[in-house]
Amino acid sequence: QKEVEQNSGPLSVPEGAIASLNCTYSDRGSQSFFWYRQYSGKSPELIMFIYSNGDKEDGRFTAQLNKASQYVSLLIRDSQPSDSATYLCAVNAGGFKTIFGAGTRLFVKA
Amino acid sequence: DAGVIQSPRHEVTEMGQEVTLRCKPISGHNSLFWYRQTMMRGLELLIYFNNNVPIDDSGMPEDRFSAKMPNASFSTLKIQPSEPRDSAVYFCASSVRRGEAFFGQGTRLTVV
Repeated sequence: QKEVEQNSGPLSVPEGAIASLNCTYSDRGSQSFFWYRQYSGKSPELIMFIYSNGDKEDGRFTAQLNKASQYVSLLIRDSQPSDSATYLCAVNAGGFKTIFGAGTRLFVKA
Repeated sequence: DAGVIQSPRHEVTEMGQEVTLRCKPISGHNSLFWYRQTMMRGLELLIYFNNNVPIDDSGMPEDRFSAKMPNASFSTLKIQPSEPRDSAVYFCASSVRRGEAFFGQGTRLTVV
């Protein structure tokens, strides 16, 4: 079983809709969770982090964490074509070791 | 700050040759990571350093791979000898906080 699992997609949503990206992780002891965005041909960049159960909002982005279910999600409200990218879920695996999922490709149609 | 700087951006080499990838982390960042990204395997952590000391190299695929960090501002990843299956994008990243990594632009390696 992979340590961090994501649906590879592609996930296609119309402009203005809510995009929902999901991630599950295997290590029940994980405490820190991150979402990175990677545009095609570019490097990953951190967009959100969440440490506590519940929701964390930042602009159009909301991260959700449920440690009991070992589940992390990212919601993007009012999706824009510029949000089209691969979204990588990452989990801290102890110390500074961070494990990434394979990513979900998101397409936002204008 | 210029961010994490990697060189070269692209490398094409013949099988069996030695390849050296270079990285300059962001000044003040005490952790440095080498990742490899392929379509098949996604983004894999190869090795990471904390305060210039290798902490976890369990992701290094085999003895052909080695990494060094002689000082806080420089690290290398070496592949010797290189093989076609090593073709990938290699990212260096640095951090001061767990999970919050800043990535360089990557080196696209092609081994023919």
